[in-house]
Amino acid sequence: ETGVTQTPRHLVMGMTNKKSLKCEQHLGHNAMYWYKQSAKKPLELMFVYSLEERVENNSVPSRFSPECPNSSHLFLHLHTLQPEDSALYLCASSQSYSYNEQFFGPGTRLTVL
Amino acid sequence: QKEVEQNSGPLSVPEGAIASLNCTYSDRGSQSFFWYRQYSGKSPELIMFIYSNGDKEDGRFTAQLNKASQYVSLLIRDSQPSDSATYLCAVDTGANSKLTFGKGITLSVRP
Repeated sequence: ETGVTQTPRHLVMGMTNKKSLKCEQHLGHNAMYWYKQSAKKPLELMFVYSLEERVENNSVPSRFSPECPNSSHLFLHLHTLQPEDSALYLCASSQSYSYNEQFFGPGTRLTVL
Repeated sequence: QKEVEQNSGPLSVPEGAIASLNCTYSDRGSQSFFWYRQYSGKSPELIMFIYSNGDKEDGRFTAQLNKASQYVSLLIRDSQPSDSATYLCAVDTGANSKLTFGKGITLSVRP
C-alpha cells in the first residue's frame, strides 16, 4: 500500500457514457498527477495539480476533465470516450510539485466499448 | 522532444546472477533519476532514485548515474524470481519538474 487509493479498479463503459475516476492520497502530499498507461507505450502524463491548482495539461482531449477539490482528492471525469482511450489510468502524488518522488495508486483499468 | 530510452528486452537472467538494466536520456539538463518496478497487473513502485553522479546502493540494488554520458543504470545483485517485473526509468529535467518515463524493460529471473 502506497497511501494512494483509486476507485473503481475496473471500469467498462460505452462511448456515450459519463463516468468519473477517483483518487485519494493519505500522505499529506501537495501535488497529484494523472497518467495514462497503454500497452507497449511509456507512461503518459495527462494532468498535474499542485495545491489544487492545475499546473500541467499535456494536450489531453477535452473528453477528459480533471478536478481537484482539495489536496487529498483528484478526479478524472470521462465523457464520450473512444475505444483507443482504453488503458490503465494511474494517479500519483508527490510531496510537492518540485519534489518528484511520486507514489502511485493501484490504477483503474478502463475499457471503452 | 525529451526522450528516455530503455532496451525493450525482455532480459532473462538466472537466479543469483546480476541483472543490469540501462537507460539513456536526451536532455542534458536532467536533474534527478528514478527507477520504478511494476509487477504484471500492478502499479509502478518507486525502488531507487539518484541525483548525483556515481553509485547509490540500497540492499541488492545499485543505481549508477553518469551525466556526462547521459545514462543511468540499475544493477540487481543476487537476482531472485521475485525480481521478475518491468522496470521503468524516469527522468526529471528540473524544468516544470515533470517526469518522463521510458517504455520499461521486462526482467525475468529463471529459478
